Amino acid sequence: EVQLQESGPGLVKPSQSLSLTCSVTGYSITSNYWGWIRKFPGNKMEWMGYISYSGSTSYNPSLKSRISITRDTSKNQFFLQLNSVTTEDTATYYCATYTEAFAYWGQGTLVTVSS
Amino acid sequence: DVVLTQTPVSLSVTLGDQASISCRSSQSLEYSDGYTYLEWYLQKPGQSPQLLIYEVSNRFSGVPDRFIGSGSGTDFTLKISRVEPEDLGVYYCFQATHDPLTFGSGTKLEIK
Repeated sequence: EVQLQESGPGLVKPSQSLSLTCSVTGYSITSNYWGWIRKFPGNKMEWMGYISYSGSTSYNPSLKSRISITRDTSKNQFFLQLNSVTTEDTATYYCATYTEAFAYWGQGTLVTVSS
Repeated sequence: DVVLTQTPVSLSVTLGDQASISCRSSQSLEYSDGYTYLEWYLQKPGQSPQLLIYEVSNRFSGVPDRFIGSGSGTDFTLKISRVEPEDLGVYYCFQATHDPLTFGSGTKLEIK
């Protein structure tokens, strides 16, 4: 079974970069699409972007040039970097894999942006 | 961006009754390949979102047949027949037809 797990700092200072890792077991990231989704305080959910089986990426334009999703196929991991964070980036961040839908998700990691 | 409008915002249902959630899209969700990439997710308290329905009406593996998705074009519905205690949480519709992919604003299901 596919399992995903997010890891990274839970606290980031404003203007700095947020970096998260998604470690995948049970399936190769050279297949399917691998995405990042965040849930803000309250109920709002936002798709941030994905990296495909070939390494191509697609990002939500709302994040403009702040976002980068990369991968390390040798470790079966993919990564999120979000630059120039503000308090509005405080959210729970999830990684997930997309086949016919986002069928498998990580447990999520809360990232708080605060000085 | 495609806006998905979910109604109601919250829903209080008696155990064993039916619940219905609407998701209306600001544009058609039928893709050029003929498929409609409208999905439903449930986030139970303290858990990650879980997939219920994909391509409008296909139940994901292990999802009870009490969950029924329907609709086309811009109007979609999730019906939950015979609501059980484990059905409580926040339900989201989601579209993967148009970039950027977008979520509805969520419907909170409570048990009376």
